[in-house]
Amino acid sequence: DAGITQSPRHKVTETGTPVTLRCHQTENHRYMYWYRQDPGHGLRLIHYSYGVKDTDKGEVSDGYSVSRSKTEDFLLTLESATSSQTSVYFCAISESGVQPQHFGDGTRLSIL
Amino acid sequence: SQQGEEDPQALSIQEGENATMNCSYKTSINNLQWYRQNSGRGLVHLILIRSNEREKHSGRLRVTLDTSKKSSSLLITASRAADTASYFCATDGQSASNTGKLIFGQGTTLQVKP
Repeated sequence: DAGITQSPRHKVTETGTPVTLRCHQTENHRYMYWYRQDPGHGLRLIHYSYGVKDTDKGEVSDGYSVSRSKTEDFLLTLESATSSQTSVYFCAISESGVQPQHFGDGTRLSIL
Repeated sequence: SQQGEEDPQALSIQEGENATMNCSYKTSINNLQWYRQNSGRGLVHLILIRSNEREKHSGRLRVTLDTSKKSSSLLITASRAADTASYFCATDGQSASNTGKLIFGQGTTLQVKP
């Protein structure tokens, strides 16, 4: 299995609080991605990174920000969580933009 | 917007039977990928087929791609109970910058009964 660790694995928080999810990789891959998975929607891309400090938006980026200060870490932040952001969040990595992606086991986030 | 639409949404078969899942997409692509997801786990890459390929095999998996119809199929032969999972197709939308931005279908849930 690719070395991808997501933390925390589960989190319950309240509306309006900030939340940060972490993705850590040991593969030295250039590309990292954050997705959310919701019933009826499959996986949707939130943000991605193509290098240290290089990030761009995905399909559903509103309400989310990301940072990548080191190759191995990609952080996803919900500045002020809303109930609509209750979801399962997956991090993925890839050597290049044309290579398959390897996924972490997800973070289940519940916002009450 | 959803690029991939998968059919059927759910499939239940007996062990030893073949399972076929279909994926349709809307825009031109560079490649199409299939992933598997076991319950409570992340996605695992199965196979990638490029737009200039028509068929690809990997073990018990066979993937076909018809770019004229914008569709792909995944065939799992001689299914096993361990194949029980959700299967997703993903396309890259022919991104010129090769960013790896994938668009996933909603998936097919496969149950293989022992």
